[in-house]
Amino acid sequence: DSGVTQTPKHLITATGQRVTLRCSPRSGDLSVYWYQQSLDQGLQFLIQYYNGEERAKGNILERFSAQQFPDLHSELNLSSLELGDSALYFCASSASRTSGATYNEQFFGPGTRLTVL
Amino acid sequence: GQQVMQIPQYQHVQEGEDFTTYCNSSTTLSNIQWYKQRPGGHPVFLIQLVKSGEVKKQKRLTFQFGEAKKNSSLHITATQTTDVGTYFCAVSSGSARQLTFGSGTQLTVLP
Repeated sequence: DSGVTQTPKHLITATGQRVTLRCSPRSGDLSVYWYQQSLDQGLQFLIQYYNGEERAKGNILERFSAQQFPDLHSELNLSSLELGDSALYFCASSASRTSGATYNEQFFGPGTRLTVL
Repeated sequence: GQQVMQIPQYQHVQEGEDFTTYCNSSTTLSNIQWYKQRPGGHPVFLIQLVKSGEVKKQKRLTFQFGEAKKNSSLHITATQTTDVGTYFCAVSSGSARQLTFGSGTQLTVLP
């Protein structure tokens, strides 16, 4: 158990719909990362938040957005869903630079499997 | 961002045989991390390498970072069925230290 939680575990929806994926980082971690894992694209970085602020964007579509709340949990919003958005979405957290962590390893949650029909 | 190519994509070995996966980059890497993802699971951090020529061992796993910091390898000695999964290399870069993953090597261990 990494200490990162994600809900829901599975999500099945139709094209054109909007969904929200939720992530709670490990206790004390300020950084939250979102990754998408698909068969054709592999594991790809989407977006990162640090203490409520967006810090970096990767290959995130304009139809996707995210936010991090004061309690540090994060939500990834996916809208106007297409068949190609079907994938595993992982959230990861990491310790802050000032925490004294030896490595900048990331701790991944169990993921949300999104199926768009 | 820094890109890494990982080979092979798949590897089937008999239990007890050795296994190696390789990551290569055309540019010098600041670091390399290795993750393992069990079937149906999530990536789990194994190790980080930062120094040129660095070699680290974890029981039957040996991790190497090339002298030029452009390649890395993960070697498993005498594989066991518990080693089954996909092994990813990843580079942590950018101000957010986001990970750029290799394509992964899916290891199957036949009993």
